[in-house]
Amino acid sequence: SQQGEEDPQALSIQEGENATMNCSYKTSINNLQWYRQNSGRGLVHLILIRSNEREKHSGRLRVTLDTSKKSSSLLITASRAADTASYFCATARMDSNYQLIWGAGTKLIIKP
Amino acid sequence: EPEVTQTPSHQVTQMGQEVILRCVPISNHLYFYWYRQILGQKVEFLVSFYNNEISEKSEIFDDQFSVERPDGSNFTLKIRSTKLEDSAMYFCASSPSRFEQYFGPGTRLTVT
Repeated sequence: SQQGEEDPQALSIQEGENATMNCSYKTSINNLQWYRQNSGRGLVHLILIRSNEREKHSGRLRVTLDTSKKSSSLLITASRAADTASYFCATARMDSNYQLIWGAGTKLIIKP
Repeated sequence: EPEVTQTPSHQVTQMGQEVILRCVPISNHLYFYWYRQILGQKVEFLVSFYNNEISEKSEIFDDQFSVERPDGSNFTLKIRSTKLEDSAMYFCASSPSRFEQYFGPGTRLTVT
């Protein structure tokens, strides 16, 4: 089974709108992290939410975590063209604090 | 702001050749990781390294792979005899704890 599945696979919205991406996972986790990847580039850490947290904010980012549903969402408010990228969730399992298990990502396109 | 660096940015090699991918983690970090991302696919964990030894490795990290921290700064991934399916982007990451991981820009490995 796959850990960390994002949906939608692709999302295209107008600049200024909010973008919401979801992530589901299967095993118990220590924390869940969201990363951004611009095309062909490195992975940029956005935000980490621990398993005992329900919501976290960082600038225009809002992350929620529902451990009962094993799901998380990433909301980007007031989107900008520069937000165009792929967004990945990665989970650190309870039985492993080392490796991150990654989803397939959501490709976000912000239309000017 | 300190960052993880990786060299080379792109490596082309012939099947069967050995390659060494190099990483310089952030200087006060204690945990080091290698991940790979085959084009269009998920990021996959390869190995984590702590206290001068491998702390965790995935099924991908077989006998063809090895890691080393030869001095106080570099962290290397060696692939002894490359195969076509080793073609991927390889990311190094480091972490001050076992949580938030900081990624380098990646090395694109092309095996011909």
